Amino acid sequence: GAGVSQSPSNKVTEKGKDVELRCDPISGHTALYWYRQRLGQGLEFLIYFQGNSAPDKSGLPSDRFSAERTGESVSTLTIQRTQQEDSAVYLCASSVHESSYNSPLHFGNGTRLTVT
Amino acid sequence: ILNVEQSPQSLHVQEGDSTNFTCSFPSSNFYALHWYRWETAKSPEALFVMTLNGDEKKKGRISATLNTKEGYSYLYIKGSQPEDSATYLCAFKGNTGKLIFGQGTTLQVKP
Repeated sequence: GAGVSQSPSNKVTEKGKDVELRCDPISGHTALYWYRQRLGQGLEFLIYFQGNSAPDKSGLPSDRFSAERTGESVSTLTIQRTQQEDSAVYLCASSVHESSYNSPLHFGNGTRLTVT
Repeated sequence: ILNVEQSPQSLHVQEGDSTNFTCSFPSSNFYALHWYRWETAKSPEALFVMTLNGDEKKKGRISATLNTKEGYSYLYIKGSQPEDSATYLCAFKGNTGKLIFGQGTTLQVKP
């Protein structure tokens, strides 16, 4: 079956521009996560959606970052007024309902964002 | 602040060697501990999800143990092969639901 799909795979943008990254989770997966990996660093938690509950936004680094999710489907991560330190690989992952504590994450291939 | 620590940061072994890595995590509000393998130019893939203290999981030559009371997990690879070269990530899930990753251990297996 189809896995987690992210688009675009690569994005080069000028400093100060807004960008929108898209994630299509696996059908039926109610939990959706966004992470980023900056060069030489580990996976940094950004935001977590679980069904219709309020998202956990505690990892968003600034108010330039926002994310939305349409029901239990597509999610978009928006970065406004991009800065060079936003350059990273942005990974999306989904899993089945969180009440099943042993559900692994299924990752997309990521979006590599370069801010020039 | 949740702290998930992995050691060593990197490891170089010869083909056939057995090796192990450590993941330490908060011992309170524990829900689950995940292990993932992340190969270059691919996305992370799940190895194990462990929820019970004392749990042991095995997949082929790779196994993992869990101690939730003291907050650590070990990942073992028996008879390492070049195809085992990857970054191994552990992740802690507490009662907030979010999954926090460690920095990873990068393994290189020389033929």
